[in-house]
Amino acid sequence: EVQLVQSGVEMKKAGESLKISCKASGYSFTTYWIAWVRHMPGRGLEWMGLIYPDDSETRYSPSLQGQVTFSVDKSTSTAYLQWNTLRASDSGMYYCGRLGLSAGSPPRYWGQGTLVTVSS
Amino acid sequence: EIVLTQSPGTLSLSPGERATLSCRASQSVPTNYLAWYQLKPGLAPRLLIFGASTRATDIPPRFSGSGSGTDFTLTISRLEPEDFAVFYCHQYGTLPYTFGQGTKLEFK
Repeated sequence: EVQLVQSGVEMKKAGESLKISCKASGYSFTTYWIAWVRHMPGRGLEWMGLIYPDDSETRYSPSLQGQVTFSVDKSTSTAYLQWNTLRASDSGMYYCGRLGLSAGSPPRYWGQGTLVTVSS
Repeated sequence: EIVLTQSPGTLSLSPGERATLSCRASQSVPTNYLAWYQLKPGLAPRLLIFGASTRATDIPPRFSGSGSGTDFTLTISRLEPEDFAVFYCHQYGTLPYTFGQGTKLEFK
């Protein structure tokens, strides 16, 4: 059974750093792209980008380039989303999702989401 | 970047009625790589439709997708109480991939 389990609720202050995780199981972690999507309060879903675990190739949304970093640890089948400097506007729910066998496929399997709250 | 515009913003219907949701793209979506998701509070997105018209696994047949190029439609033939949620279209044909702003399906 494919599962993506994300890390828990985070409450941080503006200016702090943060790294949230998405642990995969039930499939070959290095074979499928992972997407990161955010859902901000009162707004819709926003596609943040992709990472391919086998070689860490990344595709970032232009609006987020330089603000976040995607990474993986193949030894633990875990994907990460990291901020070096949080802003209050980063508050929201963050989801990881597993694509199909190519980058040209939509995520079907999702983590449960990580709620990030950043106070100013 | 392909901008997806969904309409209406809110749709007020009753169980048993038919729902028609629209998604218009600012340019043609390559290979009709257009998906529809349902989002409920506290839950992860649920993939309903991919490739514009293919139902995902375990999605009931009352959900159907149609369209090509720049105009796509999600139809729910007879609404069940559990269908009321926010629906998003998502294009994965051209990077950066994008989502529409959502249509809220609410009880009338």
